[in-house]
Amino acid sequence: GAGVSQTPSNKVTEKGKYVELRCDPISGHTALYWYRQSLGQGPEFLIYFQGTGAADDSGLPNDRFFAVRPEGSVSTLKIQRTERGDSAVYLCASSLLVGATGELFFGEGSRLTVL
Amino acid sequence: KNEVEQSPQNLTAQEGEFITINCSYSVGISALHWLQQHPGGGIVSLFMLSSGKKKHGRLIATINIQEKHSSLHITASHPRDSAVYICAVRETSGSRLTFGEGTQLTVNP
Repeated sequence: GAGVSQTPSNKVTEKGKYVELRCDPISGHTALYWYRQSLGQGPEFLIYFQGTGAADDSGLPNDRFFAVRPEGSVSTLKIQRTERGDSAVYLCASSLLVGATGELFFGEGSRLTVL
Repeated sequence: KNEVEQSPQNLTAQEGEFITINCSYSVGISALHWLQQHPGGGIVSLFMLSSGKKKHGRLIATINIQEKHSSLHITASHPRDSAVYICAVRETSGSRLTFGEGTQLTVNP
């Protein structure tokens, strides 16, 4: 597609369940970012991929969160043993270039609700 | 204190008014982004700045690197400009973006 695609757009799950969120970046974009946005707040950095490797995963809140990008394109954010505090909109963005010249293109987000 | 601070948090204007949203940051940066977020969550990149000034239609963004400050201006505001405007900086030490809390703009007809 022409833009960054995220699925599902909405996910409701129960506390303790496992969740996967998918991001399909713009074709050819090597940089991919995951952010989390809680209601009324600005997005919070989670993890950044350059190609297949996680170049910076320092924003992941704890070891229940994990993300992969095995072929350098689609990325999956995985959350184990979900907690109510994980409820947020999870945003994915991609960029053609790394660093100061890399304009970001955002997906519509995946809204996760943990009951 | 947040690394990126925006003001005001909320802004209500009448159609046609000139709007200014401010962003101050405390870290060294390689670029600053202004983003627009509409209800429902979609984020659109408006500007990416590393120096000076950029203009696109009715939108103008300026940055003063020495003062660590940027402004987003909207001329002849319109109700369709109503959205959250977010300032984000890319730190020189890495590739992550650090976001401000956003400014909720409401333009009334």
